[in-house]
Order: sequence, then structure tokens, then C-alpha cells
Amino acid sequence: GAGVSQSPSNKVTEKGKDVELRCDPISGHTALYWYRQRLGQGLEFLIYFQGNSAPDKSGLPSDRFSAERTGESVSTLTIQRTQQEDSAVYLCASSPVAGQGYNEQFFGPGTRLTVL
Amino acid sequence: GNSVTQMEGPVTLSEEAFLTINCTYTATGYPSLFWYVQYPGEGLQLLLKATKADDKGSNKGFEATYRKETTSFHLEKGSVQVSDSAVYFCALARDDKIIFGKGTRLHILP
Repeated sequence: GAGVSQSPSNKVTEKGKDVELRCDPISGHTALYWYRQRLGQGLEFLIYFQGNSAPDKSGLPSDRFSAERTGESVSTLTIQRTQQEDSAVYLCASSPVAGQGYNEQFFGPGTRLTVL
Repeated sequence: GNSVTQMEGPVTLSEEAFLTINCTYTATGYPSLFWYVQYPGEGLQLLLKATKADDKGSNKGFEATYRKETTSFHLEKGSVQVSDSAVYFCALARDDKIIFGKGTRLHILP
């Protein structure tokens, strides 16, 4: 079946511009996650959506970052006034259920963002 | 808090060598543990998992055993192949979130 998809696959923007990154999770998955992966670094948790609950925004690095999700479908990560340090691969993952400690996540291919 | 520490890379081995990538964790309660792999040019994918103490996860010749007494989940493979070259991430799941280690880049030489 279809996996997690993300668009665009690559985005080059100028410093100070706003960007929107899109994630389409696997159908039926209630949980959706955004991560940032800087070159040579591990995954940095950004934000987590679970059903209709308030999102866990504890990983967002600044108020320039925000994300929305419509129901249990598409999510958009927005970065306002981009800075060069925002350059990274942004990964989206979805998960079928939120359980007690076990939560396999399925990852999209990522969006590579380059801020000039 | 919850955290994962894994050995820094890159790790370079010859084909058919024995592989160990160390991973230790800090967590409250009993998390589930994972190894994820990221092949060149591809997205992250689950390699194996273990959900309770003494469980052994295995896949594609890789194994890892959940050791509660040493809070470890070391990844092993008896004979690596060039196609195993990738970045490997140890991770734990707790309270609906997964916490990843920084990743270990593995290079296998033919």
C-alpha cells in the first residue's frame, strides 16, 4: 500500500522567506510526527499530533516554526522567515496507534530544505 | 529524562566481518527499543524491535537483545555485507514518542 509521502522532495529558498512542507500520512494512522535531521546529525523531534488531542509542540526550536494537521490526514509544517540554520532534511512519520510505550513509526522520504 | 546513547561513527569494516554497534538508554519504566536504518538516498525504516526485557529482535541477519540490567540494546551481525552500508539509529519509545540516538554511519569495504 501507499507509504508516507512528503512534498516537495527538495526546496531551495532565500533567507527570510517562508516555506511550507507537506506530509501525507498512511491512511488510518492516527499519529503523525515531524523531525529535523541536520547534516551528520541524528533526528530531532519537532512536533507530534495524535487524533484530536492538542499537539505536542515541545520540540519546535522557535516561534518561527508551526504545524497544522487536518483531522487524521495531511499535515503542513511552516517555517517563517527562514534562516540558514534551518537547512536540513525534514522528516514526517505516521503511526497506526498510540499505545503504552510501543509505537512503530513509518517514515516518509523527507524534504531537503536549503536556505541560501 | 529519556535518552539514547550510541557509539559514534563512522564504523568501517571489511565484508564478512563481525559487527557490533553499542547502544545504551536511560528511561523511566519499560520502554520499547528499536533499531532503524537509513540506506543511502532512502528514508528511515525499522530494522528490528524488542518490547520487553530479554526479548531479542532480529531481521536481515541483524540481532539485538533488550538487556534491562545493563540498559543496553547493542546491534550485532555475524557477517556484514557491502549492502549493509547505511546509518543505523537506536531508539526508544516512551509515552507515544520515539527518542532517537544520533546515528552510527557504517561503511563496509568489499
